[in-house]
Amino acid sequence: EAQVTQNPRYLITVTGKKLTVTCSQNMNHEYMSWYRQDPGLGLRQIYYSMNVEVTDKGDVPEGYKVSRKEKRNFPLILESPSPNQTSLYFCASSLSGTGGETDTQYFGPGTRLTVL
Amino acid sequence: GDSVTQMEGPVTLSEEAFLTINCTYTATGYPSLFWYVQYPGEGLQLLLKATKADDKGSNKGFEATYRKETTSFHLEKGSVQVSDSAVYFCALSEWYGNKLVFGAGTILRVKS
Repeated sequence: EAQVTQNPRYLITVTGKKLTVTCSQNMNHEYMSWYRQDPGLGLRQIYYSMNVEVTDKGDVPEGYKVSRKEKRNFPLILESPSPNQTSLYFCASSLSGTGGETDTQYFGPGTRLTVL
Repeated sequence: GDSVTQMEGPVTLSEEAFLTINCTYTATGYPSLFWYVQYPGEGLQLLLKATKADDKGSNKGFEATYRKETTSFHLEKGSVQVSDSAVYFCALSEWYGNKLVFGAGTILRVKS
C-alpha cells in the first residue's frame, strides 16, 4: 500500500531535550516536506527536499533541522525543543517538486508533539 | 506572498443540506488549487484539485471551480452526510518547490 508513515504519532517531551520525528514514504517520491498545523493558521511549511541531499527552508524553519540521506526518509530534528514548538506535524511527499497536473502531495497521519 | 482565505467555521448543517465553503486566494502567478479534508484524528487527504482557470475539480459529490476572475475556488456539495463532518482546507501550490499554502481550515459539522 502506497503511504507516508510518521513516528511517533504522539510525543510529550521537556524543553531542551533533543528529539527526532521520522518520516518515510514507499512511493519512490523525489519531493518531501514537513508542515506544522496550528489552530487558526492552517498548515505552514517548515522544510522541504527536492531530492537526496537537497533541502531548503520553508516559511517557518527556525528551531528545526532536516536531512535527506535516502530517498524514502526525511526526518525532522528538534535539537532544543521549546514550548512554542508544541504543534501537530505532518510529513508529505510527491512525485516531483514541479507542481502541475500529476504532482499531488500525500500526507502522513501526523505527529502530535507537546513540549513542556 | 501568496495567501489563501477561507470562511471561518464551524459550519453546522443538517443532513442533506447544501454546502458551500468559500475560498479566495492571492497569487502572483497561476497556481494549482486544492481542497484537502482532515477527518478526526487523521492526516490530510486530497479531496479535489484544479490546475488551470475554469477547471472543475470533483470527487465524492464535492465540486469546486477555479475562477481566475474572482480568484476563488469555493467548495460545494449538494447534499451533505454525517460522514462529511471534518475539517476542510483550501490550498494553492506555487509553480516551483510544490509548497502548499493553506487556508486556516473550516470545521464542518453535519447533524442527523
